[in-house]
Amino acid sequence: SAVISQKPSRDICQRGTSLTIQCQVDSQVTMMFWYRQQPGQSLTLIATANQGSEATYESGFVIDKFPISRPNLTFSTLTVSNMSPEDSSIYLCSANRDGYGYTFGSGTRLTVV
Amino acid sequence: DQQVKQNSPSLSVQEGRISILNCDYTNSMFDYFLWYKKYPAEGPTFLISISSIKDKNEDGRFTVFLNKSAKHLSLHIVPSQPGDSAVYFCAASGYHSGGYQKVTFGIGTKLQVIP
Repeated sequence: SAVISQKPSRDICQRGTSLTIQCQVDSQVTMMFWYRQQPGQSLTLIATANQGSEATYESGFVIDKFPISRPNLTFSTLTVSNMSPEDSSIYLCSANRDGYGYTFGSGTRLTVV
Repeated sequence: DQQVKQNSPSLSVQEGRISILNCDYTNSMFDYFLWYKKYPAEGPTFLISISSIKDKNEDGRFTVFLNKSAKHLSLHIVPSQPGDSAVYFCAASGYHSGGYQKVTFGIGTKLQVIP
């Protein structure tokens, strides 16, 4: 399965600012996914990112708030824009190369103050 | 609407005994089920999976059972070891309207194996 390097591992940000999270995969993958895990909640899919096309967002998530880039088959970024304390969460990227085999990054723990 | 439910937020088991983690789902379109393990400050790691055409899959100390009629699956860990202490996520996969598999996760069960 693929190995994913995610950074930053954690950050504390001021409200109103933006943070970009990066994920680098050690092999080419067709699809990458971005999840959020709020305290006491399950992992919730934010969007799916295919290379060369716009990301597909799940209900409740919009591109203006969570813009995603997928410039090639090994890299993706998620930006959390105009942050508020409600955005404090763990953000995870995931990749699927072998059909059902999903690999996750180590996560980014975001605290907005 | 929680389509994948893990009703036990935590479980404590003595080392060497069996750990049984349960999961229920509501969407009959799910056709593949996965268990992930997550340690603090790490991302989830894949543990074991089962296709809807099977009712049991075994990998070493880990066995997953699927009861499709009851929409229920369980993960058995035998024997349990202190290193198994982690949060276990049940997940289910099915085709999304966009034409790809979408994975839906449960809220997780925190397992503590007591030495």
